[in-house]
Amino acid sequence: AQRVTQPEKLLSVFKGAPVELKCNYSYSGSPELFWYVQYSRQRLQLLLRHISRESIKGFTADLNKGETSFHLKKPFAQEEDSAMYYCALTSTTNAGKSTFGDGTTLTVKP
Amino acid sequence: NAGVTQTPKFQVLKTGQSMTLQCAQDMNHEYMSWYRQDPGMGLRLIHYSVGAGITDQGEVPNGYNVSRSTTEDFPLRLLSAAPSQTSVYFCASRTVTDTQYFGPGTRLTVL
Repeated sequence: AQRVTQPEKLLSVFKGAPVELKCNYSYSGSPELFWYVQYSRQRLQLLLRHISRESIKGFTADLNKGETSFHLKKPFAQEEDSAMYYCALTSTTNAGKSTFGDGTTLTVKP
Repeated sequence: NAGVTQTPKFQVLKTGQSMTLQCAQDMNHEYMSWYRQDPGMGLRLIHYSVGAGITDQGEVPNGYNVSRSTTEDFPLRLLSAAPSQTSVYFCASRTVTDTQYFGPGTRLTVL
């Protein structure tokens, strides 16, 4: 069974501080991992995908297969980063089946 | 490109009523999915489809039916609404090599 755990429901930092949103997964095989962001009352949109290894809006995430983690990081948080963040895993043997974590609400204070 | 569209945006039902949430995409994506979003529980997969005529159950399929007669449309049917189905429902689509694209959501309240 595939599972995604985001241990922090709420995370609050000050503007300019570093931020790390944690994501751990369990999956027997090589998963496809994503971070999605949902701004207030908007639809979810892709933030990062592990295979693309690119930085979006200053965020990066590294897949650590040994620790089965895919933590999201940003060195200097901005107020506009305040949103709900979801880590998600898609099965590489069944691309129709995705599992999401419970989400972390990030608040960046001025 | 409209992307993924959902109707209605809001709906209030009484217990026992039935309704269909509509989802359409114009990107020719093979995969389509329905999720429900509840506070503190993230998104949970209800049903998904890997192509026209092919559907499968997700984590929380009970009380919901789907069908996929065309590539573009993937309606979700609530057979007999219950208060536990009060939620925000998101439809998403993707190709096998791409990320998921989400619709704007339908906010459903069952009284």
